[in-house]
Formats: sequence, structure tokens, C-alpha cells
Amino acid sequence: DAGVIQSPRHEVTEMGQEVTLRCKPISGHNSLFWYRQTMMRGLELLIYFNNNVPIDDSGMPEDRFSAKMPNASFSTLKIQPSEPRDSAVYFCASTKSRGRNTEAFFGQGTRLTVV
Amino acid sequence: RKEVEQDPGPFNVPEGATVAFNCTYSNSASQSFFWYRQDCRKEPKLLMSVYSSGNEDGRFTAQLNRASQYISLLIRDSKLSDSATYLCVVNIPPPDSWGKLQFGAGTQVVVTP
Repeated sequence: DAGVIQSPRHEVTEMGQEVTLRCKPISGHNSLFWYRQTMMRGLELLIYFNNNVPIDDSGMPEDRFSAKMPNASFSTLKIQPSEPRDSAVYFCASTKSRGRNTEAFFGQGTRLTVV
Repeated sequence: RKEVEQDPGPFNVPEGATVAFNCTYSNSASQSFFWYRQDCRKEPKLLMSVYSSGNEDGRFTAQLNRASQYISLLIRDSKLSDSATYLCVVNIPPPDSWGKLQFGAGTQVVVTP
């Protein structure tokens, strides 16, 4: 299995531009998480899906952020318009929910720089 | 108050020594607990799950104290390769049982020769 695949690995964009981050979870996993990591705030949960349905988006910082999961094998996180304070590493993780013990597998992350 | 809190460290540990650190969680409904390891500029990876009775995996020992709402990780005979950030993770299930994995900010461990 290729694991969780994220793209792009690195993104540099200008303030005000739209940014789309992509994630392909591990086949058969039914939960997907988007996290953002910065030195100041650590790893923050932005949103998570179960069976393609958004369950909790309380961590999404503001309306500029949106996430979709049109099918079990693909999810996107969009920032529009982007701002310099959005610069961070964005991780996608997936799990196969099997009751209480849910190991999350992470993608390699997208390092976003907004200038 | 954060749902999961950790001492950020760094814990500077001589090679061969033992180091231990805790993580506290605020939601008493939390059901599952994990320690993840994150190397610099890499993604987090599962180190071990934490069971109610405590559990060991080689040089690593994890404990859970539900009454005081904390988990701990102990590393014996530290190796240089143990240098990393250790993330405490709590599974917070809403009523419909979908797991919400909440991460602490991490504890940095630096093992020195």
C-alpha cells in the first residue's frame, strides 16, 4: 500500500491566491483528518470526515478554509484567499475506524508558504 | 484550556539514561490513548497505544491514569535515535462513536552522547 498521499509536497503562493491541497487516503480507510502544524500552535485538527461526511469542522479557522471529500479516495482542503499567516505544514491522515483503537496514518504533508 | 496538554521540553537526556514525561487530557469521556513520534520535518507515526493496565514495547512503557486524567511515557536506556518529538494523542468519541483524534503539542526529547 502506498500510504496516505498528499500533493503538492511544497507550495509557495502569493497572498490572495487560492490554494488547493489534495489527499488520497489509504484504501479501505473510512475516516480522514486534516491537520495544520506550526511551531507556535503545534498540530491542530481542522476537520475530519467519516464515510465521506464532515463530522467536525470546528477547527477550521475561518470561512476562507473549506474542505471536501467527494468520494472515499479523495479529499481537498482549499484556502481562498490565502494569507501569510496560513503558512504551515498541512497533514492529512486516515484511519480505519474499528471501535476504540484507531491508528492514524499520516501523509508526508504539504508545506505551504504564503508570501 | 487545551484538550490535550504536554510539557514542550526539551528533555535533554544522556545516552543510556531514562526519561519520562506526562500528558494531561481534559475530556473524561476520552476512550483511547496513543503516543506518536515525530521526527524533524517528517509526519507523525504511531509509537504505541496506551492501555488501561499499562503496557510495554521494548524500552518504552506507557501508563494511563484515568482518575487524574493523564498518560505517561517512559523511555529506558535512551538511544540517540530516540531524539524526536513525542505527541500524546487522545481519541474523543462523540455520541455516534466516530473518533476525533486530538493531538498534544508534543514533548521534545534530545538524547546526547
